[in-house]
Amino acid sequence: AQSVAQPEDQVNVAEGNPLTVKCTYSVSGNPYLFWYVQYPNRGLQFLLKYITGDNLVKGSYGFEAEFNKSQTSFHLKKPSALVSDSALYFCAVRYQGNTGKLIFGQGTTLQVKP
Amino acid sequence: GAGVSQSPSNKVTEKGKDVELRCDPISGHTALYWYRQSLGQGLEFLIYFQGNSAPDKSGLPSDRFSAERTGGSVSTLTIQRTQQEDSAVYLCASSLGQGGNTIYFGEGSWLTVV
Repeated sequence: AQSVAQPEDQVNVAEGNPLTVKCTYSVSGNPYLFWYVQYPNRGLQFLLKYITGDNLVKGSYGFEAEFNKSQTSFHLKKPSALVSDSALYFCAVRYQGNTGKLIFGQGTTLQVKP
Repeated sequence: GAGVSQSPSNKVTEKGKDVELRCDPISGHTALYWYRQSLGQGLEFLIYFQGNSAPDKSGLPSDRFSAERTGGSVSTLTIQRTQQEDSAVYLCASSLGQGGNTIYFGEGSWLTVV
């Protein structure tokens, strides 16, 4: 079955330190991978996506993610975390040939402490 | 408008009443999605419209839920005979199409059934 897993419910990091939010996906054809962020009481904001080409994708607010086909992963990273990065992060996948809907992971809460 | 617009932003209704939630997608976007996010839960796919194709209704939780998209633009999600478990945020999203096109979300309609 097509699925996305975010193994950590919460990630804690100190401001200024690098952060990683993990995401793995099930293998089912060629995936399109997305990261979204949700601030409290808001909708989802698009951060970045992987379609094809360079495995390292750069997105909004200094975030980046690396597509690793052999490990079926698409981890979100940032070299230096800010307190304002504290939010709920969702990884999502869409496969070629499906109806087009995004399949979301369960979300990871990122807490950046000063 | 520049983004996906949803109304109402908040709705409190009595158990057993019907509610309608409206979504106005980004102009020119052919694909439209409805998701549900319950408190502390992830994102649950409800329904997907793509152009003139038959919608993917596979995520609708019961026959009390229905959605339509008129003229390939505005969509209405209707919940009949609301139950307390219907309380959630209903998120609408749109994209130019399938594949690697980015899906953009609205701010959501917060539904509370009392």
